[in-house]
Amino acid sequence: NAGVTQTPKFRILKIGQSMTLQCAQDMNHNYMYWYRQDPGMGLKLIYYSVGAGITDKGEVPNGYNVSRSTTEDFPLRLELAAPSQTSVYFCASSYSSYNSPLHFGNGTRLTVT
Amino acid sequence: AQKVTQAQTEISVVEKEDVTLDCVYETRDTTYYLFWYKQPPSGELVFLIRRNSFDEQNEISGRYSWNFQKSTSSFNFTITASQVVDSAVYFCALSINAGGTSYGKLTFGQGTILTVHP
Repeated sequence: NAGVTQTPKFRILKIGQSMTLQCAQDMNHNYMYWYRQDPGMGLKLIYYSVGAGITDKGEVPNGYNVSRSTTEDFPLRLELAAPSQTSVYFCASSYSSYNSPLHFGNGTRLTVT
Repeated sequence: AQKVTQAQTEISVVEKEDVTLDCVYETRDTTYYLFWYKQPPSGELVFLIRRNSFDEQNEISGRYSWNFQKSTSSFNFTITASQVVDSAVYFCALSINAGGTSYGKLTFGQGTILTVHP
């Protein structure tokens, strides 16, 4: 079972560049999430989706965009990268709502210089 | 708003010591779940346990045990006879029901870095 797959694992961007972080899950989960992890700050929710075509902002959405055209895929788009977006990004999915554990991808380490 | 606080930023122990990681949460919702996740040095996040707000029974799984106390809004995690492989960052997290509108969003604590020395 692949679970949640994130690509790339590492990326270095220059200020002002754009990129898309890919996330795919093969568990037929409706709920998907993007979190960022900064040192000593825990994980903060960027965007989430409750199904294909439905997305909403989380706690720290500025500078990011998402789309959910299929159940499997939930890409995260960074426009005009800034040093403040240097972080580790985790995609996650869950079977149900508040009572289900999240299944996480292995993360993407992004550096913006 | 929800909040999760992990009082210890870093803990260092010697192998075979017992260690407790504290977690205190805040929510006005009466229906919620609490979770613990482990993040080993390799970086992935591994689910350890969940506990719902109506079940205050403690749980033991091997060397791991969890103590949930609603009266103090705490969900503490104890590792007995720690091992080097337990070295990781541990996160406590909260998910509320909010009448079915929270959609499983987790509020994380800032994490506790546990280092177990041989």
